[in-house]
Amino acid sequence: ETGVTQSPTHLIKTRGQQVTLRCSSQSGHNTVSWYQQALGQGPQFIFQYYREEENGRGNFPPRFSGLQFPNYSSELNVNALELDDSALYLCASSSVFRSTDTQYFGPGTRLTVL
Amino acid sequence: SQQGEEDPQALSIQEGENATMNCSYKTSINNLQWYRQNSGRGLVHLILIRSNEREKHSGRLRVTLDTSKKSSSLLITASRAADTASYFCATDADSGGSNYKLTFGKGTLLTVNP
Repeated sequence: ETGVTQSPTHLIKTRGQQVTLRCSSQSGHNTVSWYQQALGQGPQFIFQYYREEENGRGNFPPRFSGLQFPNYSSELNVNALELDDSALYLCASSSVFRSTDTQYFGPGTRLTVL
Repeated sequence: SQQGEEDPQALSIQEGENATMNCSYKTSINNLQWYRQNSGRGLVHLILIRSNEREKHSGRLRVTLDTSKKSSSLLITASRAADTASYFCATDADSGGSNYKLTFGKGTLLTVNP
């Protein structure tokens, strides 16, 4: 167990809807990253937050947005869901800013878009 | 885009045998990490090797890094049924600037038969 929790575990939405996924970082970690993992693929970086600000972003459209709260928990919001958004969404927390050293991943949220 | 490419895509061995997985990447890196994923759940960090290191051990795991060939290998000795999982390499390539992300390969699915 990494101490990183995510909710919900599973989620089913229909195309065009909006979804919010939540992540609680490991205690003492101030940096959180979000990844999307399509079936049979490796995780792909969505964005990273540090001290409530977006620190970097991967190749994802603006309808993917995030928030980080003062307690370092985080949300991933996806608007106007598309079928291709069906994937496992992983968050990872770390204690070192500006570093890709060990990141601690949560169990993920599996999103299905119908 | 996928930076790392694992080889083979799938590997099936008997308990007690050794398992070797390879990873190739395209651009220069500061570090390379290996992660394990059970049944599409969260990623578990296994080992990190820095670009100035050639070999690293952790329990039954041995990782090598050849920066001249842009490749790494993960060896699991005396495999157990519980080692059955997908294994991913991840690099910090494309990091720097404001992006501090891990870039993953597609993974190797290891099956250890009892």
